Amino acid sequence: AQTVTQSQPEMSVQEAETVTLSCTYDTSESDYYLFWYKQPPSRQMILVIRQEAYKQQNATENRFSVNFQKAAKSFSLKISDSQLGDAAMYFCAYRSDGYNTDKLIFGTGTRLQVFP
Amino acid sequence: GAVVSQHPSWVICKSGTSVKIECRSLDFQATTMFWYRQFPKQSLMLMATSNEGSKATYEQGVEKDKFLINHASLTLSTLTVTSAHPEDSSFYICSAPTPTDNSYNEQFFGPGTRLTVL
Repeated sequence: AQTVTQSQPEMSVQEAETVTLSCTYDTSESDYYLFWYKQPPSRQMILVIRQEAYKQQNATENRFSVNFQKAAKSFSLKISDSQLGDAAMYFCAYRSDGYNTDKLIFGTGTRLQVFP
Repeated sequence: GAVVSQHPSWVICKSGTSVKIECRSLDFQATTMFWYRQFPKQSLMLMATSNEGSKATYEQGVEKDKFLINHASLTLSTLTVTSAHPEDSSFYICSAPTPTDNSYNEQFFGPGTRLTVL
């Protein structure tokens, strides 16, 4: 069975600075997807970024980028130029590749605080 | 992006009563929907997969008779918490993947339902 681990329960960053959130996972599969989701106080889950395991290039979405190390089974999220609106819970998630395999496995989450 | 709604957004009920939560995909059809439970300051735990036209698939440790799931149509799944007790108080979230022609279907989440059992 696949597992996702987030070892940082809480992180903090100053506005405009950069912060990196860590995530490791365990799987015996070779093809899969990894995600970072943001959950603000409203509790609405928002997809931040997605990485396909077959792609060597790290995904980037504006100020958000990932460092995907497949061999090490590591998937960290870097937030550049942090903004107050980035404060939220961040969840790393895993999904197997293939049809009818949409189930997501979530990590325990990291609470990010952003200070002005 | 696609929209998933949940109703009600919050509900308070007495111990021993049953509560129904609806999850709707508003602008797409979903043959599969997922139900999660989230305790305060914790992660989302998958409870079950709701399948249109067939029985739901429950995760290990989830009581089928307590958490009844019905995928009534291609846009509606319901979760009924039967004989609710205070320990069932939690935040319940549903999600639905949008159908595509490839193996990746982006999932969209509902805004969640806060259940409080007195």
